[in-house]
Amino acid sequence: EDKVVQSPLSLVVHEGDTVTLNCSYEVTNFRSLLWYKQEKKAPTFLFMLTSSGIEKKSGRLSSILDKKELFSILNITATQTGDSAVYLCAVYSGNTPLVFGKGTRLSVIA
Amino acid sequence: DSGVTQTPKHLITATGQRVTLRCSPRSGDLSVYWYQQSLDQGLQFLIQYYNGEERAKGNILERFSAQQFPDLHSELNLSSLELGDSALYFCASSASGTASTDTQYFGPGTRLTVL
Repeated sequence: EDKVVQSPLSLVVHEGDTVTLNCSYEVTNFRSLLWYKQEKKAPTFLFMLTSSGIEKKSGRLSSILDKKELFSILNITATQTGDSAVYLCAVYSGNTPLVFGKGTRLSVIA
Repeated sequence: DSGVTQTPKHLITATGQRVTLRCSPRSGDLSVYWYQQSLDQGLQFLIQYYNGEERAKGNILERFSAQQFPDLHSELNLSSLELGDSALYFCASSASGTASTDTQYFGPGTRLTVL
């Protein structure tokens, strides 16, 4: 069965800190990995990763994929209170359009 | 705003009842996906439609069904509702049916409460 595991489940940091969120996966016929940010309602798209070792970057957020070790990390530098959200990792496999992890709840306190 | 719309925003109903959730995809998107999000299970894929045809099926109960209409909007029908069906139901859309290279954009969700 396809599986996506995120760690930690929750994290509390102070503004200005740098955080690293982890996502490991076991899926048949991996195609791509996506990161989403979910605040109060709908998940909003952050990154899609398909190739190992190529960093995707958007402002203070960046992500990289390791297809050999089957994981991805999402880094957020200089965190702000607006970064507080649940971060979801999801993987496209040959079987299912998207398999989601349970998410990492990030709380950034001033 | 992703461009995906869902109605209603909230729905409260009783066990045994039947409800219909509606989704309109982003302009130009041909695929619609339905997901269920509950506190303990996270986001679970239910079903995908592409240009009116069922494309992929996930953990969708037999009491649930969906369809996509010629104008590409989709409806998710939930029947014989149970307390455990209370959840947030999301619709997402993407440009094509090639899920592995498509970004899915999510609607705001419908919160279903079964009493």
